[in-house]
Amino acid sequence: EPEVTQTPSHQVTQMGQEVILRCVPISNHLYFYWYRQILGQKVEFLVSFYNNEISEKSEIFDDQFSVERPDGSNFTLKIRSTKLEDSAMYFCASTGTGGNSPLHFGNGTRLTVT
Amino acid sequence: AQSVTQLGSHVSVSEGALVLLRCNYSSSVPPYLFWYVQYPNQGLQLLLKYTSAATLVKGINGFEAEFKKSETSFHLTKPSAHMSDAAEYFCAVSLNDYKLSFGAGTTVTVRA
Repeated sequence: EPEVTQTPSHQVTQMGQEVILRCVPISNHLYFYWYRQILGQKVEFLVSFYNNEISEKSEIFDDQFSVERPDGSNFTLKIRSTKLEDSAMYFCASTGTGGNSPLHFGNGTRLTVT
Repeated sequence: AQSVTQLGSHVSVSEGALVLLRCNYSSSVPPYLFWYVQYPNQGLQLLLKYTSAATLVKGINGFEAEFKKSETSFHLTKPSAHMSDAAEYFCAVSLNDYKLSFGAGTTVTVRA
């Protein structure tokens, strides 16, 4: 079965550094999402992306965050200047048609900011 | 805004026993409701989804959930637990298919 793949599985970075988390959604999917889960807290919606633009974002997704689909296969989340509180598990997800189509999640990237 | 509350952060059951995970939701309009499972070092996998077609929803791996509007509940059950059911389970609510609000999760351990 096709999978959403995320790399790396674990990323350690220093506070203030830029980090890019990478995702390869399922190949025929059109809608892409990022969620995150801070340790011990709930999984939270960050952003949805369709047709090369953000379709919706949460209040968490401030100017430090950006998303991009640089080519036909990758979907990236960039954090410009990481803070300690950005440490979390970041999940990428994708769906096919958007309507009545379940989210397919990747295995996540654990980001640790030191 | 929509939200869910999962009652019990940890549930321990014996192999072969009933699994019951509780979820209550809050929504101003009829919501979509979901149960996801997360195995160690893996992503979130959809178990089942309620979209108002039927109140009893059957999912994968023998799980099912019943939507009860009067109780604002969407509890997940499995008649007979298997060792492979050990995982973390998340209830989620949404007004669409993608912007989900997740519960805090319930970790299930299965005793031999």
